[in-house]
Amino acid sequence: GNSVTQMEGPVTLSEEAFLTINCTYTATGYPSLFWYVQYPGEGLQLLLKATKADDKGSNKGFEATYRKETTSFHLEKGSVQVSDSAVYFCALRRALTFGSGTRLQVQP
Amino acid sequence: DTEVTQTPKHLVMGMTNKKSLKCEQHMGHRAMYWYKQKAKKPPELMFVYSYEKLSINESVPSRFSPECPNSSLLNLHLHALQPEDSALYLCASSQEGGANVLTFGAGSRLTVL
Repeated sequence: GNSVTQMEGPVTLSEEAFLTINCTYTATGYPSLFWYVQYPGEGLQLLLKATKADDKGSNKGFEATYRKETTSFHLEKGSVQVSDSAVYFCALRRALTFGSGTRLQVQP
Repeated sequence: DTEVTQTPKHLVMGMTNKKSLKCEQHMGHRAMYWYKQKAKKPPELMFVYSYEKLSINESVPSRFSPECPNSSLLNLHLHALQPEDSALYLCASSQEGGANVLTFGAGSRLTVL
């Protein structure tokens, strides 16, 4: 079946630090992959997506590359801000399967 | 209009009550979804409607009853719930197709006493 594995949180960083949140998946074929973000008290918002191998999704300084050979879709940002504090979910196939979520806390 | 609107935002009900959660979108999306999210957990898919027909039911107990009266509306009828059903219920919609992005509502926070 389909599954998504994310790194455990919380991840605590200082402002302007480099961020990586790991995501690996198990699925048949070549599923579309997504990162969603959930700010406190809100629903989820799409952050970025990739639909085929070697695609790079990017938005608001965040990037993730679809790596077929390692079945991974790691989220990166070069310089985080306090406003990036949220929970980040990796998802598979139009968000029918979510990873467990990684809470990011950015300190000033 | 690029929003999914959910009502009510908060709902408290007893185990013998009957209530409904409502979801509305006017983006012309033909797929609509219900998710359940417990605290500090990811959303769990409950139901998917495609072109107003139920296409996925993730073995959800019958005390949850979905309804899609038209392409813009999605309801979740609640009856004889248990305290462990307390959670955030999220509605989402999308175009049909594998890579299409979901647009989520802000959720309805349900407490069952």
